[in-house]
Amino acid sequence: GAVVSQHPSRVICKSGTSVKIECRSLDFQATTMFWYRQFPKKSLMLMATSNEGSKATYEQGVEKDKFLINHASLTLSTLTVTSAHPEDSSFYICSATLDSQVGQPQHFGDGTRLSIL
Amino acid sequence: DQQVKQNSPSLSVQEGRISILNCDYTNSMFDYFLWYKKYPAEGPTFLISISSIKDKNEDGRFTVFLNKSAKHLSLHIVPSQPGDSAVYFCAASPQGGKLIFGQGTELSVKP
Repeated sequence: GAVVSQHPSRVICKSGTSVKIECRSLDFQATTMFWYRQFPKKSLMLMATSNEGSKATYEQGVEKDKFLINHASLTLSTLTVTSAHPEDSSFYICSATLDSQVGQPQHFGDGTRLSIL
Repeated sequence: DQQVKQNSPSLSVQEGRISILNCDYTNSMFDYFLWYKKYPAEGPTFLISISSIKDKNEDGRFTVFLNKSAKHLSLHIVPSQPGDSAVYFCAASPQGGKLIFGQGTELSVKP
């Protein structure tokens, strides 16, 4: 159980393109979803916390207008990288949790490798 | 400001021996600590967690130890198996379900 599906797994696109990444919880309803970014050989950096039906909470330094997050249902959250540039190239990973209480494990998708040319 | 640190980027262990992965943190307000395992091109998978009110949690071959006074936790894997080769992340949970990750330690278990 607790499967999280992330799509697409890899995107290569031109600079200036907007890219949408989907994160779905397949067998449970996720009250909270998280979006992370990982640079090579680095830690997973939390970008934002997304709760169904409300606005996402962004971490310090993350541009809200650049990284649009929508959590329209209990099983789907989307991250849109708007007008992507080469510096946005990274590995983006989502996670979902049934309960946002402390200590509840998050279940991760397999990530999206975004490459901006 | 790295609140969760894994100072060893890599670790190599012989099959059957013990693997010890270490993690240090700076914030005494963290309530839960978790370990995740990650294979290339996949998302992290949850391994084991420990509450700040405990000092040890065991699940099969995996044991996590927490030393709050030293702000240090460790993951012990015994016996280590080649399939354990992966990147291991420790994470701390302050509040609201957020996770703060360390940089990861790449474990290589050699046959």
